[in-house]
Amino acid sequence: GENVEQHPSTLSVQEGDSAVIKCTYSDSASNYFPWYKQELGKRPQLIIDIRSNVGEKKDQRIAVTLNKTAKHFSLHITETQPEDSAVYFCAASWSASKIIFGSGTRLSIRP
Amino acid sequence: DADVTQTPRNRITKTGKRIMLECSQTKGHDRMYWYRQDPGLGLRLIYYSFDVKDINKGEISDGYSVSRQAQAKFSLSLESAIPNQTALYFCATSDPTGSEQYFGPGTRLTVT
Repeated sequence: GENVEQHPSTLSVQEGDSAVIKCTYSDSASNYFPWYKQELGKRPQLIIDIRSNVGEKKDQRIAVTLNKTAKHFSLHITETQPEDSAVYFCAASWSASKIIFGSGTRLSIRP
Repeated sequence: DADVTQTPRNRITKTGKRIMLECSQTKGHDRMYWYRQDPGLGLRLIYYSFDVKDINKGEISDGYSVSRQAQAKFSLSLESAIPNQTALYFCATSDPTGSEQYFGPGTRLTVT
């Protein structure tokens, strides 16, 4: 069946350094790829998304890249700050009903 | 985001009991979802509804049922709770494009 694999499951980076989280999807019909951030004890919230007709999208310190041929997409966070500490989920979707989430990456920012 | 609310926020129940989790939204969205979150497994879809008369199973619907009482209300029921249904449950809504999911605050359910 459809699957989204996310790596790494945990990531620790020094404050100010960059963090990269990678996801691979199996359904070639997927055309929408959102990233959600979940702070401790809170609900997931969308931070950035990309559609299949775009290769890269940036929003200040975060960016997402998509390689449709290889069926993988990545989240890049530059100049990391303490408030970036959270669990990040990728997802792949081709319709509102077919959204599959990755298993999550716990990002810790070391001071 | 007070637009999507869930009750109760925490619940402890015993094996075999029936329990209902409720979700309400003021976003005016037709599409509503129930997810389950377990450590290391991400978010898994239990049921979804595109309007009041449309109910669909997700990837892990066994042991669960839902009711869409109105556009703004979507309830999840566990007919006979079992310990492996202990998890964090999220309700979510989305607009007609089905893109961004707006999550409720979650309900932490413990089945003893």
